[in-house]
Amino acid sequence: QVQLQESGPGLVKPSQTLSLTCTVSGGSISSGSYFWSWIRQPAGKGPEWIGRIFASGDTNYNPSLKSQVTISVDTSKNQFSLKMTSVTAADTAVYYCAREAVVVAALDYWGQGTLVAVSS
Amino acid sequence: SYVLTQPPSVSVAPGETARIPCSGNNVGGKSVHWYQQKPGQAPVLVMHYDSDRPSGIPERFSGSNSGNTATLTISRVEAGDEADYSCQVWDTLSEHYVFGPGTKVTVL
Repeated sequence: QVQLQESGPGLVKPSQTLSLTCTVSGGSISSGSYFWSWIRQPAGKGPEWIGRIFASGDTNYNPSLKSQVTISVDTSKNQFSLKMTSVTAADTAVYYCAREAVVVAALDYWGQGTLVAVSS
Repeated sequence: SYVLTQPPSVSVAPGETARIPCSGNNVGGKSVHWYQQKPGQAPVLVMHYDSDRPSGIPERFSGSNSGNTATLTISRVEAGDEADYSCQVWDTLSEHYVFGPGTKVTVL
């Protein structure tokens, strides 16, 4: 059973960089059968897809966030990461990592989520 | 950018049928996925490719998609079905996933 776990600081100051890592267990991130996504959800709102990465390093990003987001993968550690620059209070949210099986084309496994607050 | 619209809430009595619409321009031409999210938990995929149920999802859950509206239907609603339900599609023009705002299903 695949499991995903987010990790990173729970508090980031405005204008700084938010950095999160997702560790995948129970399966190889190098498999060509999956994409690996980041999603966020502000309190009381619906989910917002941030972007995804394939094991090869190919990425897709939400156009509204593309200028401030970078997703990378470390296959040796079975991890993928999110960096979001120049954050503001509007970036406060629960951040989730998730797996997308190519044959399903939907997010079939999710991490538990981690709350990141942007505040001075 | 592609926009999905959902009603904020749907209320249904136990044993009745809940229908949750997800509207978008020609959404019938896209594949729609649905997620269930209970308070404090991560979303769970309950329907993909419009009407395919993942393993472990009860047969009471079904989906359809035509024209400008996709619909998630929950038959014989139970108290445990109370949750937020969000739809999702892939926007082929800008190559990114779009979520609907979510519908809170309340079991009366």
